[in-house]
Parts: sequence; C-alpha cells; structure tokens
Amino acid sequence: SAVISQKPSRDICQRGTSLTIQCQVDSQVTMMFWYRQQPGQSLTLIATANQGSEATYESGFVIDKFPISRPNLTFSTLTVSNMSPEDSSIYLCSVEDGIAYEQYFGPGTRLTVT
Amino acid sequence: SQQGEEDPQALSIQEGENATMNCSYKTSINNLQWYRQNSGRGLVHLILIRSNEREKHSGRLRVTLDTSKKSSSLLITASRAADTASYFCATDEGYGNKLVFGAGTILRVKS
Repeated sequence: SAVISQKPSRDICQRGTSLTIQCQVDSQVTMMFWYRQQPGQSLTLIATANQGSEATYESGFVIDKFPISRPNLTFSTLTVSNMSPEDSSIYLCSVEDGIAYEQYFGPGTRLTVT
Repeated sequence: SQQGEEDPQALSIQEGENATMNCSYKTSINNLQWYRQNSGRGLVHLILIRSNEREKHSGRLRVTLDTSKKSSSLLITASRAADTASYFCATDEGYGNKLVFGAGTILRVKS
C-alpha cells in the first residue's frame, strides 16, 4: 500500500487567512483525493486532483475557496482560503491503488480557525 | 452526499467479546471498503469487498456484503482494547474511485 504524508499535521489559524496543506506519496499515482472531516462527522470528498488537469470539485466546494495544485504524480496541495471558524476540520488526502481499487489515506491535517 | 448509513452509532463491549457493525447504502456499487480511525487521526484501510463477493476475512475481521439488501457488516472477533476506534464504511457509488462515507460507528472496548 502507498505511504502518504501530510504537512502540517495541525495548525491554528486566524480567520481571514489561508493555509496550504501538502500531501506527498511514496509512489506515482494517477488520482489523488482531498476530503474534509468536520468535528464529530464523517468524511466528505472535496475534490479529485489529476496531474496535468484542473481539479474536479464536488457539489458545495469551489476552486476559489479550496484551490488545489497537482504538479506531479507524487504531490498535491490543498489551500483553504479566507478561513472562517466553520473551516475547522481535519483535511485528508488519499490515493487509490489502481489495481486493487483500495484507497489509502494520509494522517490528516487538523485545522482550527479562531 | 452520504451514501452509507451505519448502525449502531456507538457500541460498547468488554474485551474478548465480538463486535458487529452494519452499513447500508443506496445505489449500486463496485466495491465497499471499511476503515478504522483512532482519535481523529488518519484512516486505516481494513478491507475491501467487491460487489461479486459475499464474504471476506482478514485476521480477526470478517466482512459480509449483501447487494440485494444494499448492506454490509463488519465483525471483529475477540475484541481488544486497542480496537477502540471509529469505524467507517465507504462505497464508490458505481463511479469507481470517488468514495462516499457512512456516518461511522464508535466502538469502545473495555478492558
């Protein structure tokens, strides 16, 4: 299974600022995914990031708020822009094993907005 | 949208007992995956079961899938305190790689 790391592991940010979260995979993958987990809730898919193309956003998520970069097959970033306390969540990236279809997750970034 | 609904929402058992969690979903799927999450950390992949499979085992885990009822169950046998965690099912809604998660079951194993 892929080994995924995320930076930072946690952060406390002021409202109105932006935070960029990095996701690094130890192997080349076609698709990377970004999820949000609000406090006490389940996971919700934000967007799918393919290398060399624009990210595809799910309903309720927009590029201006959550810009994503995917510069190569092992790395992606998610930016949470103009943050408000409602953005306080755990943000997780994941990748799919293209053969077994199993999806693996990074350790998450715990964001608190004050 | 949340596809999977899990029950129970919370489960508390003694060490050594078995724990069963259920997941229901709404649309056709290609596969269903179960995950464990400890204390709000990252998700650990437990098992994937394909739509043409009915049962799958991995160590102390047993997963069943009933596509006619659109439901799955996760059985953890001989539970340990270290099994205390939240457990989520996730389906692909037939699209292959976009996962839709259930609400999760919080399992507490008392020693």
